[in-house]
Amino acid sequence: AQSVAQPEDQVNVAEGNPLTVKCTYSVSGNPYLFWYVQYPNRGLQFLLKYITGDNLVKGSYGFEAEFNKSQTSFHLKKPSALVSDSALYFCAVRDVRGKLIFGQGTELSVKP
Amino acid sequence: GAVVSQHPSWVICKSGTSVKIECRSLDFQATTMFWYRQFPKQSLMLMATSNEGSKATYEQGVEKDKFLINHASLTLSTLTVTSAHPEDSSFYICSARDSQGSPNTGELFFGEGSRLTVL
Repeated sequence: AQSVAQPEDQVNVAEGNPLTVKCTYSVSGNPYLFWYVQYPNRGLQFLLKYITGDNLVKGSYGFEAEFNKSQTSFHLKKPSALVSDSALYFCAVRDVRGKLIFGQGTELSVKP
Repeated sequence: GAVVSQHPSWVICKSGTSVKIECRSLDFQATTMFWYRQFPKQSLMLMATSNEGSKATYEQGVEKDKFLINHASLTLSTLTVTSAHPEDSSFYICSARDSQGSPNTGELFFGEGSRLTVL
């Protein structure tokens, strides 16, 4: 069965510092991996996805993610965090039927 | 980007009443839509897959008679919470996939969510 895990419930960083939100996956076959962001009482916004090709995927709002097959990871990164990046982040994997399976979410808090 | 509209964005109802939530794809056709439920600061739990013109597919543990799903057109899916009780209070989110896209790689677009509070 497809699954993703986000080992950190919360990540705290200072504004201007680099940030990493971790995600590991378990899939049979090729992984189709996604990152979404959710602001309070809002739906999910798509950040980026990995389907195939370059391991480093660039997405919205300056975010990027690195696909690492040997470590089965797809960590989300940003070189310089903004206070406005504070939100709930979800990693997800798409199963063969097209359904998204979400990780438990990581709350990112960026302090000035 | 593509837009998915959910209505209402919030609703308060009395216990025992039924509530309908609409999910519309505004600028694309969606043969498949998904309904999720989310508790505060928790992940999204897939409830069911809504298929245009056919019965929805429910995930294990989700009562299909409790959560009625209708996908009558390529741009509209509805979720009706029947005989709602306080434990049904939650944030419900729908998502839709452009029918032109691949089932596996096509992007899913999410609605803004509907917060249901049952008194």
